[in-house]
Amino acid sequence: DGGITQSPKYLFRKEGQNVTLSCEQNLNHDAMYWYRQDPGQGLRLIYYSQIVNDFQKGDIAEGYSVSREKKESFPLTVTSAQKNPTAFYLCASSKDQRRRVPNTGELFFGEGSRLTVL
Amino acid sequence: AQSVTQLDSHVSVSEGTPVLLRCNYSSSYSPSLFWYVQHPNKGLQLLLKYTSAATLVKGINGFEAEFKKSETSFHLTKPSAHMSDAAEYFCVVTGNQFYFGTGTSLTVIP
Repeated sequence: DGGITQSPKYLFRKEGQNVTLSCEQNLNHDAMYWYRQDPGQGLRLIYYSQIVNDFQKGDIAEGYSVSREKKESFPLTVTSAQKNPTAFYLCASSKDQRRRVPNTGELFFGEGSRLTVL
Repeated sequence: AQSVTQLDSHVSVSEGTPVLLRCNYSSSYSPSLFWYVQHPNKGLQLLLKYTSAATLVKGINGFEAEFKKSETSFHLTKPSAHMSDAAEYFCVVTGNQFYFGTGTSLTVIP
């Protein structure tokens, strides 16, 4: 079945460590997104990519980095510069919407990765 | 500019009674609107979407929503709540990006 796979589901990190969250999709979608979810704050956009080898900062990009070397993959690295990384991270994808405003296609989500800093 | 406001952060209903989750939006365009559901420690699942076709949109699990342009609303309803409906619900409006509400937590009382 087509979908989005995130791994790991749970991750623990020590202070000062970088960690990378994996996101893979087989939906043939051009656009991919990373969101952070904290209790009571909804979803906040970290980074998004509308095409391979290109990505844009979202609202809370500081302390995070991404790459988009393949259409199917959009890994997120949480760096030691991120002051409060404990959160639930969600990856999503959608069809290419660059030439259509507003977007009409929906987002498809992975199951999420919960990162805890010890 | 696009934004969405979910008017209730928490809603409690008894099993078998109607559900109403309220969402107001602001959009510079003729909007696309979505409702998503999230169960604990899970990703978000699409319930339904409005993209300028019929104003009454039917979704999965008996949910539906009505787009009211004059009221800039897109409220989610279900005639009879089930225990499995207990979850977090998000209203989303699109422009050049996806704009999420802060969510409504639905509790279903047996």
